[in-house]
Amino acid sequence: GDSVTQMEGPVTLSEEAFLTINCTYTATGYPSLFWYVQYPGEGLQLLLKATKADDKGSNKGFEATYRKETTSFHLEKGSVQVSDSAVYFCALNTQGGSEKLVFGKGTKLTVNP
Amino acid sequence: DTEVTQTPKHLVMGMTNKKSLKCEQHMGHRAMYWYKQKAKKPPELMFVYSYEKLSINESVPSRFSPECPNSSLLNLHLHALQPEDSALYLCASSQDRIPGGVNLYEQYFGPGTRLTVT
Repeated sequence: GDSVTQMEGPVTLSEEAFLTINCTYTATGYPSLFWYVQYPGEGLQLLLKATKADDKGSNKGFEATYRKETTSFHLEKGSVQVSDSAVYFCALNTQGGSEKLVFGKGTKLTVNP
Repeated sequence: DTEVTQTPKHLVMGMTNKKSLKCEQHMGHRAMYWYKQKAKKPPELMFVYSYEKLSINESVPSRFSPECPNSSLLNLHLHALQPEDSALYLCASSQDRIPGGVNLYEQYFGPGTRLTVT
């Protein structure tokens, strides 16, 4: 079945450091790919998305590129802030007609001042 | 406006109580979802409503009963819950999917209801 694999956390960085959170997927067909962020005590917020190969999603300084050849959708940010501390979930939505989102296990990011 | 609202924010209930969680969206979305999220885990899908009809039930125990009174509202009725049902319950919505067609649309989540069963 479809699955998403994220790098295990937690990840701890200093402010202004470069961030990469790896995400790879297994899916039949051509899924849409998403990154969601969950701040402490809150629900999930859509951070960015990409719906086809070579699409780049971007938002709030975060970027991720849909790489079909490596089945990856790695999240990057050039300079993290303390306010970026949260749990990040990679997810896919298959083209098989299902409404289901398949989530990775989540990666907790802590940014220290 | 991409807001999904949920009430209450917190709920404590005993194992013999009956309570309801409520979710509302005004984005014109015709698909709505209930998820359960335990600490340090991703959300787990419970139910999906598409065009106000239940389309997916992920083998959820009958002590959880969903209801979709109209296209903007989604309820989750709770009865005789167990302590292990304590979790964050998330509602989400997304744009229409033509029945039998593909779904490329992102889901928008509410802030959740933190449920504690005592």
